[in-house]
Amino acid sequence: DAGVTQSPTHLIKTRGQQVTLRCSPISGHKSVSWYQQVLGQGPQFIFQYYEKEERGRGNFPDRFSARQFPNYSSELNVNALLLGDSALYLCASSPGPDETQYFGPGTRLLVL
Amino acid sequence: GQSLEQPSEVTAVEGAIVQINCTYQTSGFYGLSWYQQHDGGAPTFLSYNALDGLEETGRFSSFLSRSDSYGYLLLQELQMKDSASYFCAVKGQAGTALIFGKGTTLSVSS
Repeated sequence: DAGVTQSPTHLIKTRGQQVTLRCSPISGHKSVSWYQQVLGQGPQFIFQYYEKEERGRGNFPDRFSARQFPNYSSELNVNALLLGDSALYLCASSPGPDETQYFGPGTRLLVL
Repeated sequence: GQSLEQPSEVTAVEGAIVQINCTYQTSGFYGLSWYQQHDGGAPTFLSYNALDGLEETGRFSSFLSRSDSYGYLLLQELQMKDSASYFCAVKGQAGTALIFGKGTTLSVSS
């Protein structure tokens, strides 16, 4: 069975630009969560979606937004990029919002 | 606030046993998970404890004491491929986010 997939794998942007990251969950999983991981730290929660509804939001500015589609895939959007947004963005899927989360390989974003 | 504490680094030799501790302070407790992450890779789920006691999965075991807000991951018969970062993560309540510790870097040498 295919695991969580994310695209693109790597991305380079400049300050002020906008970026869209994509995630496809494991088949049958209806919940998707997004995390930001900076070097040397653990993943930090950004959003969780379940059945296309936002279930939770972490301590991130409004420049960060997300949505989940009817096929349970998800997009994370970041506007007005800052240098500090450079990180590994991880998507995790789970059958339901409180079940074990399985992570994708991540998108490595570099903001110059 | 919510926080998790785990050692930043642990070193061991092949064949040895190592224990990675995690103490947590959260508003509520719904479960403790452990993930492994190799450099630049995806975090991989290892184990989950919701109730007190020991859970064993092959060479890896995880323990939880809810009264002490404490858990550990035990890795036996260490192999070079076990060199990675290990994260404990806690969900404080149903419907809330998974909170991760800063991770423990395990280095296994021959």
